[in-house]
Amino acid sequence: RKEVEQDPGPFNVPEGATVAFNCTYSNSASQSFFWYRQDCRKEPKLLMSVYSSGNEDGRFTAQLNRASQYISLLIRDSKLSDSATYLCVVNTGFQKLVFGTGTRLLVSP
Amino acid sequence: DTAVSQTPKYLVTQMGNDKSIKCEQNLGHDTMYWYKQDSKKFLKIMFSYNNKELIINETVPNRFSPKSPDKAHLNLHINSLELGDSAVYFCASSPDSQGLSYNSPLHFGNGTRLTVT
Repeated sequence: RKEVEQDPGPFNVPEGATVAFNCTYSNSASQSFFWYRQDCRKEPKLLMSVYSSGNEDGRFTAQLNRASQYISLLIRDSKLSDSATYLCVVNTGFQKLVFGTGTRLLVSP
Repeated sequence: DTAVSQTPKYLVTQMGNDKSIKCEQNLGHDTMYWYKQDSKKFLKIMFSYNNKELIINETVPNRFSPKSPDKAHLNLHINSLELGDSAVYFCASSPDSQGLSYNSPLHFGNGTRLTVT
């Protein structure tokens, strides 16, 4: 089983849609959780951290369920500029971050 | 600009050659990393250094040798390049090595696209 698993997509949605991505991780001792965004042929950039209580940053909401070892990202009112690959990232506690393979989002006019 | 910068951006070379990729960060971070992103876009850690000391060395062929002359620099030297080494190599840094916590996220360089022919 992969340490971090994501649906690769692509998710094709129209502008204004709400879209949700899911991620599961295998190591129950994992300590911190993140969503990174990677545009085509660019480097990954931190989108937001994911806290146990859930957190929101504008149109983006992240949730963590430690019991189910499940992380989610909700994007409301999708914009064309949201088109990218979204990487679920987990700190497994061994001083390294493990990246999921990413979920590709395509927002169309 | 404060950043993680790596050179070259593109590197095309033949099998069997030796090449180096350089990385520098001016963010004052203590820890630096090399990640490899393969053709399937899977991003995997190769090495990490904290203040010039090797912390993580994943199962990477010993043809790959990182070198950290100081905490702001982490270079990657690759000997006897193989076709399978073709990938995008990302350098990254973080403020500290304490488990990459919420206060210590990764900052990536813009990548080196290596093509081995």
